[in-house]
Amino acid sequence: EDQVTQSPEALRLQEGESSSLNCSYTVSGLRGLFWYRQDPGKGPEFLFTLYSAGEEKEKERLKATLTKKESFLHITAPKPEDSATYLCAVQASGGYQKVTFGTGTKLQVIP
Amino acid sequence: DTAVSQTPKYLVTQMGNDKSIKCEQNLGHDTMYWYKQDSKKFLKIMFSYNNKELIINETVPNRFSPKSPDKAHLNLHINSLELGDSAVYFCASSQRRSIGELFFGEGSRLTVL
Repeated sequence: EDQVTQSPEALRLQEGESSSLNCSYTVSGLRGLFWYRQDPGKGPEFLFTLYSAGEEKEKERLKATLTKKESFLHITAPKPEDSATYLCAVQASGGYQKVTFGTGTKLQVIP
Repeated sequence: DTAVSQTPKYLVTQMGNDKSIKCEQNLGHDTMYWYKQDSKKFLKIMFSYNNKELIINETVPNRFSPKSPDKAHLNLHINSLELGDSAVYFCASSQRRSIGELFFGEGSRLTVL
């Protein structure tokens, strides 16, 4: 069964203090790895798709990277508006495969 | 314009009752989903429909019955509600070729007393 483990569970940063969130995964052939952002009381919002090891994607202060076993979401000089829960998800290759989510990292950025 | 809209946003009901949640998407996507997010924020797929055809049916009690009248709508009916059904239920949509790029509704918080 596909598994996604995210760490840390929670992270508190000062504004401007860069850091990384980790997503470790086990899947029988990776079709795609996905990052989402979820604000309190809202549905998850899609951020990135990564398909193969070595791939990187960037959006504003966020950069996602992928290896064969894990993905990192790097946050550079975060601002308070980056505070949210960040979810990682994977989809296995072969036929129609469901998307499996991790439990997320709750990020709080303090002014 | 709201891309994926679901109603109601909140439901509070007694054990044993039946309730329904409705979902509509205006993105032109061909695949729709129901996800359940528990109190620990774990998001788990329940059902997936592609062009009105059920393609994923996870291990969900048969008290839960999805219905897709057309590819823009997916409803969820729950019979004989139990305390453990309390959760936030999210509707989502995607194109089948981009299954992981999901667009979620704002969620329906169900509380069973």
